[in-house]
Amino acid sequence: SSELTQDPAVSVALGQTVRITCQGDSLRSYYASWYQQKPGQAPVLVIYGKNNRPSGIPDRFSGSSSGNTASLTITGAQAEDEADYYCNSRDSSGNHLGVFGGGTKLTVL
Amino acid sequence: QVQLQESGPGLVKPSQTLSLTCTVSGGSISSGSYYWSWIRQPAGKGLEWIGRIYTSGSTNYNPSLKSRVTISVDTSKNQFSLKLSSVTAADTAVYYCARQRYYYDSSGYYYGEGFDYWGQGTLVTVSS
Repeated sequence: SSELTQDPAVSVALGQTVRITCQGDSLRSYYASWYQQKPGQAPVLVIYGKNNRPSGIPDRFSGSSSGNTASLTITGAQAEDEADYYCNSRDSSGNHLGVFGGGTKLTVL
Repeated sequence: QVQLQESGPGLVKPSQTLSLTCTVSGGSISSGSYYWSWIRQPAGKGLEWIGRIYTSGSTNYNPSLKSRVTISVDTSKNQFSLKLSSVTAADTAVYYCARQRYYYDSSGYYYGEGFDYWGQGTLVTVSS
């Protein structure tokens, strides 16, 4: 079982704002990173650290964290944002062991 | 532009050892603050971190797989490899290699980490 918990599915109307959350004890101490995965493709890093976007990631993607919860927010969701989203962090032992959340399927209506 | 490419058998028999190699191009596997990682994804399911290696040879493994996993690096070939022993059908998955980057500012302050480059993934099926 995953030490990071995500809602299995979330939907958002086109152009609206959606927040995808990730909960876990390790998030009190370590940053989460977020990945977008479209069918048949490898995941793509969209957010790392406190709120950093790799080059090429639109600024409608942002990250935040509070307590044991990390969030990925998409402001003004586009049709192309429909995808699976995964959070990743270290495990609660802090021994640089990676763990992924179970993933959230985002549907853009 | 860094690129990663997985290679290896697409079919492995139960109880045998799965072996995959990731070839890194567009940059040296020895440079920078990077860990080289393996991640897998069974069909229709989520991502599972398998483990990683630094170019010094230091490794970290998923505790649930640790007894069966070995990750190694060959800096002369700019490659790193995965071996997973005693495989069963539950090990059938798309296997990805990825680069894990640690981000530091100009003062050396750490401000995050992430898997910034991924291979395209390779499907490994465990079946007799």
